[in-house]
Amino acid sequence: GENVEQHPSTLSVQEGDSAVIKCTYSDSASNYFPWYKQELGKGPQLIIDIRSNVGEKKDQRIAVTLNKTAKHFSLHITETQPEDSAVYFCAASLGSSASKIIFGSGTRLSIRP
Amino acid sequence: DADVTQTPRNRITKTGKRIMLECSQTKGHDRMYWYRQDPGLGLRLIYYSFDVKDINKGEISDGYSVSRQAQAKFSLSLESAIPNQTALYFCATSDLGRSDTQYFGPGTRLTVL
Repeated sequence: GENVEQHPSTLSVQEGDSAVIKCTYSDSASNYFPWYKQELGKGPQLIIDIRSNVGEKKDQRIAVTLNKTAKHFSLHITETQPEDSAVYFCAASLGSSASKIIFGSGTRLSIRP
Repeated sequence: DADVTQTPRNRITKTGKRIMLECSQTKGHDRMYWYRQDPGLGLRLIYYSFDVKDINKGEISDGYSVSRQAQAKFSLSLESAIPNQTALYFCATSDLGRSDTQYFGPGTRLTVL
């Protein structure tokens, strides 16, 4: 079946440094790629998404890049802050419909003071 | 976000018992989903429903059933619970035609002894 691979599974960075999380997907028809942040004891929450007609998208300190040819997409967080500590999930649509998405296995990001 | 609520938040039960997890939403969304989260495996789709009369199996539906009692209510049942169904369960909603964002509830932690 289709899958999404996410790396690394854990990431520790110094406060103020950048963090990068990478994902690959297998379904060549995927065209919607959301990223979710899950804080302790809460459900995942969308932080940014990108569609296949766009190569990069930014929202303040967060950016996502997409390489459709290589089936890679990445999350970049700059100037990391303590509140960025959480588990991050990438996801990709199953086929061209965004109504169903498949999640990566998650990255636990820790920000060191 | 209290727009999507799940009950109970925690449940401990024994092997062979029937369990129902409930999800309610006040967002007015058509689509509802049940996911299961296990450490290192991300979120996996159990069942989803695009309207009251529409029920679809997801990636891991064996051992589970669902009921969409109304647009706002979507319940997940474990007919005969087994220990490997111990996990964190999330309900999510999305709005057909407006946005592909999925909004998650706070989760139910289920332990099967």
